[in-house]
Amino acid sequence: AQSVTQPDIHITVSEGASLELRCNYSYGATPYLFWYVQSPGQGLQLLLKYFSGDTLVQGIKGFEAEFKRSQSSFNLRKPSVHWSDAAEYFCAVGEGRNTDKLIFGTGTRLQVFP
Amino acid sequence: ETGVTQTPRHLVMGMTNKKSLKCEQHLGHNAMYWYKQSAKKPLELMFVYNFKEQTENNSVPSRFSPECPNSSHLFLHLHTLQPEDSALYLCASSPRTGDNQPQHFGDGTRLSIL
Repeated sequence: AQSVTQPDIHITVSEGASLELRCNYSYGATPYLFWYVQSPGQGLQLLLKYFSGDTLVQGIKGFEAEFKRSQSSFNLRKPSVHWSDAAEYFCAVGEGRNTDKLIFGTGTRLQVFP
Repeated sequence: ETGVTQTPRHLVMGMTNKKSLKCEQHLGHNAMYWYKQSAKKPLELMFVYNFKEQTENNSVPSRFSPECPNSSHLFLHLHTLQPEDSALYLCASSPRTGDNQPQHFGDGTRLSIL
């Protein structure tokens, strides 16, 4: 069965520091991968998605993610974190070509210190 | 993002009450989804509707009853809920199912069962 693992429950970084949030998936074929962000009291907002093609994907708010098939990973990165990036981040994998069923990770909560 | 609106934002109800959650999308989408988000657990897909027809019921207890009168509106009728049903209920929409398009989420209804 497909699964998504986000190994880091909670990460704290200083404003201006670089960030990498880890995501590993288990899926037999080429996955459809997503990163969403959830600010307190709000729903999920799509940051970026990977379906095929270039393995380095650019998203909104200066985020990017790299698909590495050999490592079954889709890590999210940002070169310089802003205080407004504090939120919870979710990685998700779509089941095959039908993205009705999104399998979500348990999320990584990001804290940003000034 | 205000494309998907959920009401109410907060709901407190007793186990014998009957209430309904409402979701409305203004994106012209044809697929709508209900998710449950509990603390420390991944998002759980509950129901999927495509062009008003239910296409997915993820083994959800019958005390949750969805209704989709048109492609813009989705309801979740609640009755005889249990304390473990306390969670954030998120609605999402997408252009249609099976189209590899990301889902757009509302801000959720925070449900507390007394």
